[in-house]
Amino acid sequence: EDKVVQSPLSLVVHEGDTVTLNCSYEVTNFRSLLWYKQEKKAPTFLFMLTSSGIEKKSGRLSSILDKKELFSILNITATQTGDSAVYLCAVEGNEKLTFGTGTRLTIIP
Amino acid sequence: NAGVMQNPRHLVRRRGQEARLRCSPMKGHSHVYWYRQLPEEGLKFMVYLQKENIIDESGMPKERFSAEFPKEGPSILRIQQVVRGDSAAYFCASSPQGAPNYGYTFGSGTRLTVV
Repeated sequence: EDKVVQSPLSLVVHEGDTVTLNCSYEVTNFRSLLWYKQEKKAPTFLFMLTSSGIEKKSGRLSSILDKKELFSILNITATQTGDSAVYLCAVEGNEKLTFGTGTRLTIIP
Repeated sequence: NAGVMQNPRHLVRRRGQEARLRCSPMKGHSHVYWYRQLPEEGLKFMVYLQKENIIDESGMPKERFSAEFPKEGPSILRIQQVVRGDSAAYFCASSPQGAPNYGYTFGSGTRLTVV
């Protein structure tokens, strides 16, 4: 059975701090790993990673995939209160996504 | 180009009633996926459909749940004889053939409450 494990489950930091969120996986027929941000409603897409070692960057967020060790990290630098959300990692394999339970990130002003 | 549209946004049903959740994929998307999110849990895959075909329903409970994606109209997730444990947020996602570089597009979800 495909499995995605995220850590930590929750994280509370002060505004301006840098955070690293972790995602490890076991999946058959790996195709891609995706990161989503979920606030109150639908998950919104952040990154899609398919190749090892290539960092994807969008503003203060960046992510990288290690297909040998089967994990990915999501970094957020200079955090802001608007970054408070649940961050979901999902892995695509066998034409479906398997999600982790998410990391709940809280940024204290 | 409207995104993935789900309705209703909120649905309240009494135990034993039927719940029908609708999902209209993005224009040009022919693949639809349903996920369920229980409180404080991650999204769990339920079913993957293409037009008039169920491709993978390995995440669907064996009883009371069914899904369809007809040739015309939205995809429907149907839950018969709802129980309190069915209370959850149900998300639909769509994609064109194969996963695009921007990943799947999710709807805003239907929050089902069974009382």
